[in-house]
Amino acid sequence: NAGVTQTPKFQVLKTGQSMTLQCAQDMNHEYMSWYRQDPGMGLRLIHYSVGAGITDQGEVPNGYNVSRSTTEDFPLRLLSAAPSQTSVYFCASSYNRAGVHNEQFFGPGTRLTVL
Amino acid sequence: SQQGEEDPQALSIQEGENATMNCSYKTSINNLQWYRQNSGRGLVHLILIRSNEREKHSGRLRVTLDTSKKSSSLLITASRAADTASYFCATGGYNKLIFGAGTRLAVHP
Repeated sequence: NAGVTQTPKFQVLKTGQSMTLQCAQDMNHEYMSWYRQDPGMGLRLIHYSVGAGITDQGEVPNGYNVSRSTTEDFPLRLLSAAPSQTSVYFCASSYNRAGVHNEQFFGPGTRLTVL
Repeated sequence: SQQGEEDPQALSIQEGENATMNCSYKTSINNLQWYRQNSGRGLVHLILIRSNEREKHSGRLRVTLDTSKKSSSLLITASRAADTASYFCATGGYNKLIFGAGTRLAVHP
């Protein structure tokens, strides 16, 4: 199994540009999520999904969109990039039964810089 | 707001010493998890303790959970330079798994 994969590893955008961060997992996990991590801080939840066709907002959803058309893929879209979105983005997946969280598997991260 | 908060923010010890990190959280939980993050990498799951458990061991790791105080501790015994990393606790409501800001551990040879 490849686990959780993220592309690209690095990205530089100009303010106002849009882009999609890709995330895929091959473990048939129901639960997938996106976090951002800023220097010296923990992870903040952006959006999450409990299964194909179901998404919901986390702590910091503004400026980001997600969709979950398949179990495997959970892309994160930046609609109009702003310097405040400069961060490292992590995708994670796990089994989630009846709302109980289990071990999260993390991707390697995407380092995004917005100029 | 963060559900879990770690203490201390940073910890510096010598190889062979024990390292203890604490986590406090605010609401009731099903379980609490600890993760490690090496510099520039994704998080790696270390251990999960359920709300009806008080203590759990995994190798050199010992985790305790006190639900009455809404707190947990992670003990790393006989630390090694390779244990240098940031350590995070994570707790969640029904679907939102929330991480604390982490403890940065430095283990010096």
